[in-house]
Amino acid sequence: GESVGLHLPTLSVQEGDNSIINCAYSNSASDYFIWYKQESGKGPQFIIDIRSNMDKRQGQRVTVLLNKTVKHLSLQIAATQPGDSAVYFCAGMEYGNKLVFGAGTILRVKS
Amino acid sequence: GAVVSQHPSRVICKSGTSVKIECRSLDFQATTMFWYRQFPKQSLMLMATSNEGSKATYEQGVEKDKFLINHASLTLSTLTVTSAHPEDSSFYICSARAIQGNEKLFFGSGTQLSVL
Repeated sequence: GESVGLHLPTLSVQEGDNSIINCAYSNSASDYFIWYKQESGKGPQFIIDIRSNMDKRQGQRVTVLLNKTVKHLSLQIAATQPGDSAVYFCAGMEYGNKLVFGAGTILRVKS
Repeated sequence: GAVVSQHPSRVICKSGTSVKIECRSLDFQATTMFWYRQFPKQSLMLMATSNEGSKATYEQGVEKDKFLINHASLTLSTLTVTSAHPEDSSFYICSARAIQGNEKLFFGSGTQLSVL
């Protein structure tokens, strides 16, 4: 399954700067990946997804990069805003199977 | 998008009592629902997968007799924490999948359980 870590790391960025959040996964059979944003006391909110046959996908202000060789995902947020402050999780899924979450990163945006 | 309603959002109970958490898909039929648990400053950990009309599949280390899951209809799954203890205090989150094998999951807003 996916590796799930404890004690979330924190990334602090200045408002307006770009943010890069990284995630490593362990299950090479995972073929679908999702980035979620979670605010305090709420459930995960879908940000962007990517299938394993792609290495890059762009959304509005967000880009996900997938490197299957080293089992690494990243989420890039352009022009980070205070409203982006939250915990970000990557998650991976084998086709039709369960979704397993990665360790998560706390993003703090300084004004 | 599809909506998953989770209730209650917060519950406080005494040690030894049982607590039921409901997860409803409001505008779609959920063939599969997943239950997660999240401790403070940690990731979501999958507890079990429930398919409508069949027994839930529990992850390793999750006690099936303590965390009772019922998925009696295509729009409702319930998680009952039996004989709750303070160590069961956690944030419980459900998610639902609309079509068998479809990757898209929709998450509830979570239930904060505090056991005194």
